[in-house]
Amino acid sequence: SQQGEEDPQALSIQEGENATMNCSYKTSINNLQWYRQNSGRGLVHLILIRSNEREKHSGRLRVTLDTSKKSSSLLITASRAADTASYFCAPTTTGGTSYGKLTFGQGTILTVHP
Amino acid sequence: KAGVTQTPRYLIKTRGQQVTLSCSPISGHRSVSWYQQTPGQGLQFLFEYFSETQRNKGNFPGRFSGRQFSNSRSEMNVSTLELGDSALYLCASSPAQGNTEAFFGQGTRLTVV
Repeated sequence: SQQGEEDPQALSIQEGENATMNCSYKTSINNLQWYRQNSGRGLVHLILIRSNEREKHSGRLRVTLDTSKKSSSLLITASRAADTASYFCAPTTTGGTSYGKLTFGQGTILTVHP
Repeated sequence: KAGVTQTPRYLIKTRGQQVTLSCSPISGHRSVSWYQQTPGQGLQFLFEYFSETQRNKGNFPGRFSGRQFSNSRSEMNVSTLELGDSALYLCASSPAQGNTEAFFGQGTRLTVV
């Protein structure tokens, strides 16, 4: 697996606004996953998008994938204070030396103010 | 279904000691991975086990080891602890081979003094 680079490093918004964070990676992937981590706790899987998909929705989450640009974006609509967390992307390739290995960047720290 | 369970949640150890952390995956999951998270290095992959076999290993010294039992439960051990080993250790389980979604435990916070 390869490391994704999340951008921006930090994002501060008001409740009700939308939050967009981006992920870039370097080589071909089989899928890309997004995870959320609340302070000091475990990661929670949000969504997986396969390389042959361009967009995927899950509740207030919308993920896009552009394999030609090697980038993905995560949009959280109508954000809530409870969305305050760090968000990580994990671009993944399957098999071989990638078994079970997710490689994370430094993440985007999202703060949603009530 | 119960989630991934890690024990203990918090641990304080002295330099030079060793420590064993435990992870019980979600029932039916056969793949267990371990990660170390520190403020400086972020999330780093330690190793992955599937059907009691270590299939992948990160770039950590030999002081870090692990194993998986026939019931898929896993342990990781760190010997001769150093101050820099202070971290949040996360375990994740997956239902299948390959990089499908991972389900993480709450982690074990290890402090080495």
